Amino acid sequence: AQSVTQPDARVTVSEGASLQLRCKYSSSGTPYLFWYVQYPRQGLQLLLKYYSGDPVVQGVNGFEAEFSKSNSSFHLRKASVHWSDSAVYFCVLSADTNAYKVIFGKGTHLHVLP
Amino acid sequence: EAAVTQSPRNKVTVTGGNVTLSCRQTNSHNYMYWYRQDTGHGLRLIHYSYGAGNLQIGDVPDGYKATRTTQEDFFLLLELASPSQTSLYFCASRRDWGEDTQYFGPGTRLLVL
Repeated sequence: AQSVTQPDARVTVSEGASLQLRCKYSSSGTPYLFWYVQYPRQGLQLLLKYYSGDPVVQGVNGFEAEFSKSNSSFHLRKASVHWSDSAVYFCVLSADTNAYKVIFGKGTHLHVLP
Repeated sequence: EAAVTQSPRNKVTVTGGNVTLSCRQTNSHNYMYWYRQDTGHGLRLIHYSYGAGNLQIGDVPDGYKATRTTQEDFFLLLELASPSQTSLYFCASRRDWGEDTQYFGPGTRLLVL
């Protein structure tokens, strides 16, 4: 069975601090992994995605994520957060079995203190 | 950038009412999706489609119908709305499967009284 787990429903950090949002996945096929961000009162936007190659992928606004097959993880990182990064972040899995569907984690609500 | 639009943006109806939510994408994407977003549940897939006339059942289909009339247009129908269907609804499109990105509309907020 395919699944995505984001263990932290809410994360609070101070502006300028580093950030890691955790994501664990389970997939029977080759995983395609995404991070999306949802700013208040908006739809979801792609931050970055991984499907092969270098396990560290760069995204928009200074975000990066590292894929680990051995740990079944795809954690999101940022070296220094800004108050405008406050949003909900979703980890998403698309696998090559039943590939039409995508599976969302429940999201992590990031609150950046100014 | 792919464009996905939704209408209406806000809708209020009464229990038992009939509601149609509309979604249009203008990028000739093959796949379109309807999700609902509720606190504590993230996004849950209602229905999806991989072309005009095609419909696939999602994870929470009860109480919802959907129809893909053209490549561009995907409709979500609530024929007997219930308060449990009060939610934020998102439509998304995607060119193909695998590593292709989903593009989301701005959402429709539905309140069923």
